Amino acid sequence: GESVGLHLPTLSVQEGDNSIINCAYSNSASDYFIWYKQESGKGPQFIIDIRSNMDKRQGQRVTVLLNKTVKHLSLQIAATQPGDSAVYFCAESDGNTGKLIFGQGTTLQVKP
Amino acid sequence: EADIYQTPRYLVIGTGKKITLECSQTMGHDKMYWYQQDPGMELHLIHYSYGVNSTEKGDLSSESTVSRIRTEHFPLTLESARPSHTSQYLCASSASGKQYFGPGTRLTVT
Repeated sequence: GESVGLHLPTLSVQEGDNSIINCAYSNSASDYFIWYKQESGKGPQFIIDIRSNMDKRQGQRVTVLLNKTVKHLSLQIAATQPGDSAVYFCAESDGNTGKLIFGQGTTLQVKP
Repeated sequence: EADIYQTPRYLVIGTGKKITLECSQTMGHDKMYWYQQDPGMELHLIHYSYGVNSTEKGDLSSESTVSRIRTEHFPLTLESARPSHTSQYLCASSASGKQYFGPGTRLTVT
């Protein structure tokens, strides 16, 4: 069945270090992927997205990498800051229905 | 910043009561969604709509119902609340695949 999962439930990093959050997906028909950040008591906030015709996309301090061969998605956060502390979710879509399938989140803890 | 709103933000209600969670968006998006999320866990789709008068059940079975009479409004109703309905309910709308979320309603049924 379709599923999206993250490898680690919790990631703890030192402020200023780079963070890498990983996600594995199983539906090879998925052609659109999104990373969301969710802070406590708030709804998920869009971070960055990537379509299946790309391997890499960069935003401000964030980079998403897509490896279709092994169905792997990762989010890299450069110079992690305390404000980056949140739960991060990856999501996939097959593009036809517009429905997103969310993986289990990874809690990012930034140590000062 | 997405213009999508949910009310109430927090609701504590007794078993058996009927409740409606409101969701509105001002972006003119045709597609709207309701998700249920337990703390720190993944989001589960319970309802979605592709436009006015279109509603579909999501992947997670839910005893709630929805309606879509206007593009901007997608309310969710529980006819008889139970403690098992205690959760966070998130509304979203989308354009070009990207979904924008509201702040959520945290529902507690006692």
